[in-house]
Amino acid sequence: DAGITQSPRYKITETGRQVTLMCHQTWSHSYMFWYRQDLGHGLRLIYYSAAADITDKGEVPDGYVVSRSKTENFPLTLESATRSQTSVYFCASRAGSVGNQPQHFGDGTRLSIL
Amino acid sequence: GQNIDQPTEMTATEGAIVQINCTYQTSGFNGLFWYQQHAGEAPTFLSYNVLDGLEEKGRFSSFLSRSKGYSYLLLKELQMKDSASYLCAVSPNSGGGKLIFGQGTELSVKP
Repeated sequence: DAGITQSPRYKITETGRQVTLMCHQTWSHSYMFWYRQDLGHGLRLIYYSAAADITDKGEVPDGYVVSRSKTENFPLTLESATRSQTSVYFCASRAGSVGNQPQHFGDGTRLSIL
Repeated sequence: GQNIDQPTEMTATEGAIVQINCTYQTSGFNGLFWYQQHAGEAPTFLSYNVLDGLEEKGRFSSFLSRSKGYSYLLLKELQMKDSASYLCAVSPNSGGGKLIFGQGTELSVKP
């Protein structure tokens, strides 16, 4: 089915471990985004990408790494997980950079770091 | 930079009308989006405004005043299923397709 999918939906890991969250979209949207959502902070942008091999930092990039070798995939890696990275992570995609084209969100990954 | 403010919580009665306000300060502006997010789910797109005025979509309407840095989302004929968080997001003209989100307004609809 067309859309944007995230995996895994739930993940529990330990501090210091590396963990990768996957995001895949089938619309061939140029723009993709990673957000984290925490109580009291709303959605905060971690990294975004305008096209394959082009990525940029958002508001809260520290501790995260992204790559975009293919247009449809935008994985997010926590290189050495910390408890402060426990959060709900949302991936989104958008066809263009301006105008009325909204961002479309995946269902989220709920990540707990013990 | 950008600063977006929304009320944290609101309560309204089934069948009533509720207005959720959003004020923003931004160095550049390419439009404003409203999203709905039910608990445990992803945000979903509701509306977009770039010009001053009211955009109507069924029970939901959104208003924008660019000169005042102000928007509101109007929900009519409230239903229990409208209980959700409503997120205001500004599209800055710094590029990259980014959206800057407010913290969201948690709306509770009571019978």
